Amino acid sequence: GAVVSQHPSWVICKSGTSVKIECRSLDFQATTMFWYRQFPKQSLMLMATSNEGSKATYEQGVEKDKFLINHASLTLSTLTVTSAHPEDSSFYICSARGGHDEQFFGPGTRLTVL
Amino acid sequence: SQQGEEDPQALSIQEGENATMNCSYKTSINNLQWYRQNSGRGLVHLILIRSNEREKHSGRLRVTLDTSKKSSSLLITASRAADTASYFCATERDSSYKLIFGSGTRLLVRP
Repeated sequence: GAVVSQHPSWVICKSGTSVKIECRSLDFQATTMFWYRQFPKQSLMLMATSNEGSKATYEQGVEKDKFLINHASLTLSTLTVTSAHPEDSSFYICSARGGHDEQFFGPGTRLTVL
Repeated sequence: SQQGEEDPQALSIQEGENATMNCSYKTSINNLQWYRQNSGRGLVHLILIRSNEREKHSGRLRVTLDTSKKSSSLLITASRAADTASYFCATERDSSYKLIFGSGTRLLVRP
């Protein structure tokens, strides 16, 4: 199957700093990428939909000014957590979709904000 | 928001036994997908069943879909210790391709 990578796999930062997470589709062009957040022992919650060349669409309750999404190319989407706080600590997972039904998920990025 | 619930929340079985997980959802769907997640890892796609399909098989996996009851089940036959993971159903409601995940079932297969 297709491969989606995320970088970094884990990051620890101080409160108030910004953190950028990259999501790349390695062997296919992803017209749409999705960003999810998962708290410990909970399910994945969709945060936003990222379409190449256009603004991201955010789910209700997700602050677009706090979670900046850029889908600059067909293989790369980035999520920037701005002014991170301890409550933003979570597992962030992206998925990418090409021209088929299936979405391919990245391995996730664990963010810890001190 | 989550689309629906899965039950049981946790399931512990002996290796070799079958494991059945159920998923209920709330709105009409295009398709329903099952994923597996090992602890602290990304998701692995297991199987997709479309709204006009009732049953699908893949290896030791069998998925059923009942759109009248808005429910699906995942059966893993002859379970192995390596099947220990969390299992999530996810529904795709419309042409936006958004996936809405269920609450998940944590499966433990004892060797």
